[in-house]
Amino acid sequence: DGGITQSPKYLFRKEGQNVTLSCEQNLNHDAMYWYRQDPGQGLRLIYYSQIVNDFQKGDIAEGYSVSREKKESFPLTVTSAQKNPTAFYLCASKVSMRIMNTEAFFGQGTRLTVV
Amino acid sequence: AQSVTQPDIHITVSEGASLELRCNYSYGATPYLFWYVQSPGQGLQLLLKYFSGDTLVQGIKGFEAEFKRSQSSFNLRKPSVHWSDAAEYFCAVVQEYGQNFVFGPGTRLSVLP
Repeated sequence: DGGITQSPKYLFRKEGQNVTLSCEQNLNHDAMYWYRQDPGQGLRLIYYSQIVNDFQKGDIAEGYSVSREKKESFPLTVTSAQKNPTAFYLCASKVSMRIMNTEAFFGQGTRLTVV
Repeated sequence: AQSVTQPDIHITVSEGASLELRCNYSYGATPYLFWYVQSPGQGLQLLLKYFSGDTLVQGIKGFEAEFKRSQSSFNLRKPSVHWSDAAEYFCAVVQEYGQNFVFGPGTRLSVLP
């Protein structure tokens, strides 16, 4: 079945460590996104990528980094510079940002906890 | 700035009762509109979407939504709620070419037995 896979589902990090969240899609989508979700704040865009080898900062990119070396993969690294990384992280993809009348497909999320 | 509002943070209804979740957006032209549902600890699932044409759209799980241009609204409705509908609901908008989704803050739905 086609879809988006995020791993791991739960992740624990010690303060000062970098961690990488995986996001893989087999939908052949060009656009991919990372969102952060905190209680009562909805979804906030961290980074997005319109195409391979290209990515742009979203609204809350500080303390995060991404890469897009392959079409199907868009990993997110939460660096030690992110002051409050405990949150639920969602990855999404879309056929193309240039095609407006299509929806985004979401992964099942990764819950990151700093211990 | 583009914005999507969902005035109700939390709604509680009894099983079998009707439901309406509100969504308003602040744009000049007609955007592309979506409703998503999220169960606890899960990703978002698309319920329905509106791009053009008939302003009443049908979605999965018995949901429907009506686009009202004059009110800049896209409210979600269901005639009879089931306990399994308890979840968080997000309204989302794409306004312009090449722009990202803008999500509302979400409405949490609780269902009483």
